Amino acid sequence: DAGVIQSPRHEVTEMGQEVTLRCKPISGHDYLFWYRQTMMRGLELLIYFNNNVPIDDSGMPEDRFSAKMPNASFSTLKIQPSEPRDSAVYFCASRGPGEQPQHFGDGTRLSIL
Amino acid sequence: GQNIDQPTEMTATEGAIVQINCTYQTSGFNGLFWYQQHAGEAPTFLSYNVLDGLEEKGRFSSFLSRSKGYSYLLLKELQMKDSASYLCAVRDGDYKLSFGAGTTVTVRA
Repeated sequence: DAGVIQSPRHEVTEMGQEVTLRCKPISGHDYLFWYRQTMMRGLELLIYFNNNVPIDDSGMPEDRFSAKMPNASFSTLKIQPSEPRDSAVYFCASRGPGEQPQHFGDGTRLSIL
Repeated sequence: GQNIDQPTEMTATEGAIVQINCTYQTSGFNGLFWYQQHAGEAPTFLSYNVLDGLEEKGRFSSFLSRSKGYSYLLLKELQMKDSASYLCAVRDGDYKLSFGAGTTVTVRA
């Protein structure tokens, strides 16, 4: 079975550029989560969706960050404009209903120069 | 919100046992998870506790005491491949996970 699929795996870009991260959750999972991981702050929840609807975006750091889930099989996290402090590994995770655990994608390693 | 504490680092010898403690303070509790994360990789699910007691899964066991806000992950018969970061995560009433900073376990030959 395919797991959570994220793209790109690595992204290096200059500050000020727009960055779009993509995620395909596991088929049948109705929850999707976006996390950011850094050495300083660990793994932080940015936003999560249930049935394609954003439920809690309180972890989104500022207006430069936005996330969408146009359908059950695709989500994007966009940063515009990007800044060096946005450099981190961004993970997408999904889970099914009930007590199921979250399953993580391989992450996108983002470097903003 | 959640406040989750776990040791930063632990070192043990191959074949030995290591216990990673996790204490938490939470405004709502709906289960505790342990994840393993190898360097440069994604976290992978290890165990889940929602009721008090011990859950055993092969070489790994996890314990929960809700009244004490305490859990531990027990790794037995340590192997070199168990060298990784172990993340304690608490799920609140809204099904959000809050993660601890992680415990880096180093297994030495």
